[in-house]
Amino acid sequence: DIQMTQSPSSLSASVGDRVTMTCRASQGISNQLAWFQQKPGKAPKSLIYAAFSLESGVPSKFSGSGSGTDFTLTISSLQPEDSATYYCQQYNSYPLTFGGGTKVEMK
Amino acid sequence: QVQLQESGPGLVRPSETLSLTCTVSGGSVSSGSYYWSWIRQPPGKGLEWIGYIYYSGSTNYNPSLNTRVTISVETSKNQFSLKLSSLTAADTAVYFCARFRTVTTFDFWGQGTLVTVSS
Repeated sequence: DIQMTQSPSSLSASVGDRVTMTCRASQGISNQLAWFQQKPGKAPKSLIYAAFSLESGVPSKFSGSGSGTDFTLTISSLQPEDSATYYCQQYNSYPLTFGGGTKVEMK
Repeated sequence: QVQLQESGPGLVRPSETLSLTCTVSGGSVSSGSYYWSWIRQPPGKGLEWIGYIYYSGSTNYNPSLNTRVTISVETSKNQFSLKLSSLTAADTAVYFCARFRTVTTFDFWGQGTLVTVSS
């Protein structure tokens, strides 16, 4: 199985801050990586697929980058509604696997 | 807009079999572009892919659950279902159904249903 490791596990930032989180795959996954946002009690919401392609309707303040084993999700200007846990997920090989998540809180 | 809705019992006894159904609206499970998936999330923990089914009936399961999982599809009802056998407390989780595409991965999700395994 491909292990997905996210860091940090949590972060605290202020309104307007630029926030970056990373996801590392245990082996190369090309660009077959997605990012999801999950708020408490809700289903995950797809933000980005294919490492950097924005899902329809997702604000452009979210951006993704990377290829191979190292990936990044950036929120350009953090807002209170962005408080959530963010998960990466690889779909390069089976079983499909998720990272452990990065919890983003407002300072 | 595609919508998915899980249904099934919220409490199941240890050693028994969990049965959940996902009803799809705004789209068809018979579409050749998608795979219909189950994912679970234990309370306070991360996400685990259980498996998926194609409209033809072909399946792909997570090996960690392979011997206990069966996913089936009912195209006439626009539904797909999950059966998970030999339950233990470790199977307590929120179970989500979701639509999967090989290019865009999981793009639509159900709201999730909490299943508790307890006597």
